Amino acid sequence: GAGVSQSPSNKVTEKGKDVELRCDPISGHTALYWYRQSLGQGLEFLIYFQGNSAPDKSGLPSDRFSAERTGGSVSTLTIQRTQQEDSAVYLCASSRGEGSSYNEQFFGPGTRLTVL
Amino acid sequence: AQSVTQPDIHITVSEGASLELRCNYSYGATPYLFWYVQSPGQGLQLLLKYFSGDTLVQGIKGFEAEFKRSQSSFNLRKPSVHWSDAAEYFCAVGSYNNRKLIWGLGTSLAVNP
Repeated sequence: GAGVSQSPSNKVTEKGKDVELRCDPISGHTALYWYRQSLGQGLEFLIYFQGNSAPDKSGLPSDRFSAERTGGSVSTLTIQRTQQEDSAVYLCASSRGEGSSYNEQFFGPGTRLTVL
Repeated sequence: AQSVTQPDIHITVSEGASLELRCNYSYGATPYLFWYVQSPGQGLQLLLKYFSGDTLVQGIKGFEAEFKRSQSSFNLRKPSVHWSDAAEYFCAVGSYNNRKLIWGLGTSLAVNP
């Protein structure tokens, strides 16, 4: 596709429910990142996928958060038993990945999650 | 500790005036530095980046930034601001071996007509 896409654009859920957020990276990009952006805060790194390597999960805030990337392309971020503090904009980015120089991260429009 | 500081939370300038947004970093490795812009309802877009070489880098939309190693700074500048530049600006640092960028909290820019 032309850019990184994310769905849904908005998600309202009740506390305790599970949610799934989807990210479609740019075709051919091997690296994929998930970030969380809370109101008035910068970007908080969540997880990073690079090719077939084990993902870097060091930013996941709790074991309620998980992510997978199928076939090296689409990624799903799952939040179980959502809490009100999970309300934020979840951003996905992709880049061409490893190489002789750092590659720019291209961001999707984000999913705004509201937990009531 | 690795960190990025953007000292100005909010800045207001008049259209046509010059602009400088500050960014200071603390990072153990040779830094790769970035400025991103987030316009209302838009995704984050890369303005410019510094990896090595000339310490003054040019970006899109007429922006430039200067890397000053001695001051651990990477300030963003524009000689004449346009109303469409009103947005949130983020500074970030990473390295060749670390793709996880460290982000500043952002500076919100308002432009008066």
